[in-house]
Amino acid sequence: QITLKESGPTLVKPTQTLMLTCAFSGFSLSTNGVGVGWIRQPPGKALEWLAVIHWNDVKYVSPSLGSRLTITKDTSKNQVVLTMTNMDPVDTATYYCARRLVGSGFDNWGQGTLVTVSS
Amino acid sequence: DIQMTQSPSTLSASVGDRIIITCRASQSISSWLAWYQQKPGRAPKLLIYKASSLESGVPSRFSGSASGTEFTLTISSLQPDDFATYYCQQYNGYPWTFGQGTKVEIK
Repeated sequence: QITLKESGPTLVKPTQTLMLTCAFSGFSLSTNGVGVGWIRQPPGKALEWLAVIHWNDVKYVSPSLGSRLTITKDTSKNQVVLTMTNMDPVDTATYYCARRLVGSGFDNWGQGTLVTVSS
Repeated sequence: DIQMTQSPSTLSASVGDRIIITCRASQSISSWLAWYQQKPGRAPKLLIYKASSLESGVPSRFSGSASGTEFTLTISSLQPDDFATYYCQQYNGYPWTFGQGTKVEIK
């Protein structure tokens, strides 16, 4: 059974750095073709892709967020970490991590974690 | 960035209806398109990948097709469990992008 779960702060202040951890089980991020990505969804709005990291450590982040975003993996701990600097109230959203296989979409998702940015 | 434009934004339908949701890409994405279903307060669920491949466990009333840069999601006979919001997503080129969503409501 594949599971993913996001964890991190639920409330951050403007200008602070957000660090979210995706802990997963049921698959390995060292297996050829596997990736883990982050997607967010502001309240009442559409999904927005943020970043993805693959089994071979190839990673991509959304250029609209540019240098604010960093994605890393710890294969031995079955974790992927997303770091977002200089948080702003517009970054208030539910943040999801999800698995993808090369050639497919995101086939397994975490439950999501709501992050609110407010002073 | 590749823009994904979904239509309609909202669709009112009845149980048993056949419905079609369209997603148009701003440039060629080959067949690298996925469809998701999302219910309130829940994570999205993958329905279709590679434009027309049905994800394991998804009912066969869901189907996807492609013609150039236009993609469609069809539900052949709408069931009560299908009232939700649907998103398309391209994964041909980075940044990956989602459509703005189509909410399927009870008529």
